[in-house]
Amino acid sequence: GESVGLHLPTLSVQEGDNSIINCAYSNSASDYFIWYKQESGKGPQFIIDIRSNMDKRQGQRVTVLLNKTVKHLSLQIAATQPGDSAVYFCAKGGSQGNLIFGKGTKLSVKP
Amino acid sequence: DTGVSQDPRHKITKRGQNVTFRCDPISEHNRLYWYRQTLGQGPEFLTYFQNEAQLEKSRLLSDRFSAERPKGSFSTLEIQRTEQGDSAMYLCASSPDRAEAFFGQGTRLTVV
Repeated sequence: GESVGLHLPTLSVQEGDNSIINCAYSNSASDYFIWYKQESGKGPQFIIDIRSNMDKRQGQRVTVLLNKTVKHLSLQIAATQPGDSAVYFCAKGGSQGNLIFGKGTKLSVKP
Repeated sequence: DTGVSQDPRHKITKRGQNVTFRCDPISEHNRLYWYRQTLGQGPEFLTYFQNEAQLEKSRLLSDRFSAERPKGSFSTLEIQRTEQGDSAMYLCASSPDRAEAFFGQGTRLTVV
């Protein structure tokens, strides 16, 4: 079946450093992938998406890389700030138009 | 605020009671989704609507769960005869197409 998994459940970085959060997926005919940020007690917040015909997409301080050969997705956050502390989920588009989420990586930013 | 709105934010109910949650999507979005999220897990898909039509239901959606979107605008999710295992965050999301979904803040259900 389809699944999405994150490599590390937690990640701790120093403020100002770059963060990289990785995600692997299986058996995907999905045409898009999305990264979400979820703060405690809140719903997931859209960060950035990437279509399967792309390898890289950049946003404000974030970059998503997609490697379809090894079925790997990553989110890079430049100059990580305390406000970036949250749980990050990767998700892929499912066959039903829904999203299939991984378990999440909790990012902690040390001042 | 024109985001996805969910009501109530929190609900505590006794086992066996029925509960109903409401979701108001972003107005121009024709797709509406319900997800459930338990502690430490990612959201799990429950069901989705395109306009007023309920097009897909997950196997997670037992017979005690029912969702409606009568006029293609707001949606309700009802859980009958609640069980402790139903305790979770119930998330609603909307999207204009098969791409990014925008989530509400969720309704946290606690069944005691």
